[in-house]
Amino acid sequence: DIQMTQSPSSLSASVGDRVTITCRASQSINNYLNWYQQKPGKAPRLLIYTASNLQSGVPSRFSGSGSGTDFTLIISSLQPEDFATYYCQESNNLSFTFGPGTEVEIK
Amino acid sequence: QEQLVDSGGGVVQPGRSLRLSCAASGFTFRNHGMHWVRQAPGKGLEWVAVIWNDGSDKYYADSVKGRFTISRDDSKSTLFLQMNSLRAEDTAVYYCARAVRGKNGKGDVLDIWGQGTMVTVSS
Repeated sequence: DIQMTQSPSSLSASVGDRVTITCRASQSINNYLNWYQQKPGKAPRLLIYTASNLQSGVPSRFSGSGSGTDFTLIISSLQPEDFATYYCQESNNLSFTFGPGTEVEIK
Repeated sequence: QEQLVDSGGGVVQPGRSLRLSCAASGFTFRNHGMHWVRQAPGKGLEWVAVIWNDGSDKYYADSVKGRFTISRDDSKSTLFLQMNSLRAEDTAVYYCARAVRGKNGKGDVLDIWGQGTMVTVSS
């Protein structure tokens, strides 16, 4: 079974900071990696698909990169509304495994 | 607008059954594969099941295989999750989600999500 890991598991950052979240797969998933944002009590929201494509309506401060096993989500200038948990998910295998999440706290 | 509405959750005793529904509107339901994803209280997201757009194939997480069945009624633009032999560890918010961009699952992107429905398994 494929395993997805994320680091860090949580972080605290100030408004305007650049934030980097990494996601690693236990085997190659090509570029079939998606990123979701979830706020408390809400459904997840798609941010980035196939590693680097920005979903329509998502602010351009979000970006993604990577391929194979290592992927990165970057928030270029953190905003107060970005307080949330971020999940990666692979869709290369018919297991659609999610990473454990990264909680972003605003300082 | 494009929307998914989850329903059918509730409190159920261990070993009993429950059927969840997900009503779609604002898009052509039959053109899309559909997924169920769940989230236990205070935990992360766990993928549960997928059904192809034509219903020809279905896949399940190992944790629910043999107990849960995903199905769809395209005439009613509705997705279902039949949950049997429920266990305490099935307690979670269940979300349906629409798949785009993939081909028979590979590359699926979950772009629209329901609001979730809570299932509590407890005696």
